[in-house]
Amino acid sequence: GAVVSQHPSRVICKSGTSVKIECRSLDFQATTMFWYRQFPKQSLMLMATSNEGSKATYEQGVEKDKFLINHASLTLSTLTVTSAHPEDSSFYICSAVSGGAWNEQFFGPGTRLTVL
Amino acid sequence: AQSVTQPDIHITVSEGASLELRCNYSYGATPYLFWYVQSPGQGLQLLLKYFSGDTLVQGIKGFEAEFKRSQSSFNLRKPSVHWSDAAEYFCAVGGRNNDMRFGAGTRLTVKP
Repeated sequence: GAVVSQHPSRVICKSGTSVKIECRSLDFQATTMFWYRQFPKQSLMLMATSNEGSKATYEQGVEKDKFLINHASLTLSTLTVTSAHPEDSSFYICSAVSGGAWNEQFFGPGTRLTVL
Repeated sequence: AQSVTQPDIHITVSEGASLELRCNYSYGATPYLFWYVQSPGQGLQLLLKYFSGDTLVQGIKGFEAEFKRSQSSFNLRKPSVHWSDAAEYFCAVGGRNNDMRFGAGTRLTVKP
């Protein structure tokens, strides 16, 4: 149980285009999902927290107009990188939790974004 | 806000030797502590976690970690390392809002 999937696993796009990454909780309902970014050989940096049915909360320094997050259902959150540039190339990882009290985050396998 | 420090960027051990990866945290309340492992290009796999209770936590793959409040530490240990343990290891601390902060990671190399 507690499986989180991400799609696509790998995407290459041209500079200036937008890319959508999906995060799904496959066997549980996720009240909260998180989006992380990981640069090569670095740690995961929290980008935003997404609660179902409400606006995402972005970490300081993360442009909310560039990284659009939608959590339309209890099993799906999407991250759209708008007008992507080469510096947006990174590994994006989502995680999901269920319930109200502190619960373990279950991580997706990640999406490798390369912007040419 | 919580924070995590992993002092060792890279550690090399011989196969069969013991391993200890250091983790220090900063958090005003009782922390939720985690160790994850990440293989290249892969997502995170949870090794073990501490929420409360026994301060010595057993995890998967023969790993264990000990929570020491007085030292604000949660070091990861394994008595005998296998070549397949070579990976990146992340310590993380959970806050009150289900948010999590990760350490910088420690890359483990295993020599034959």
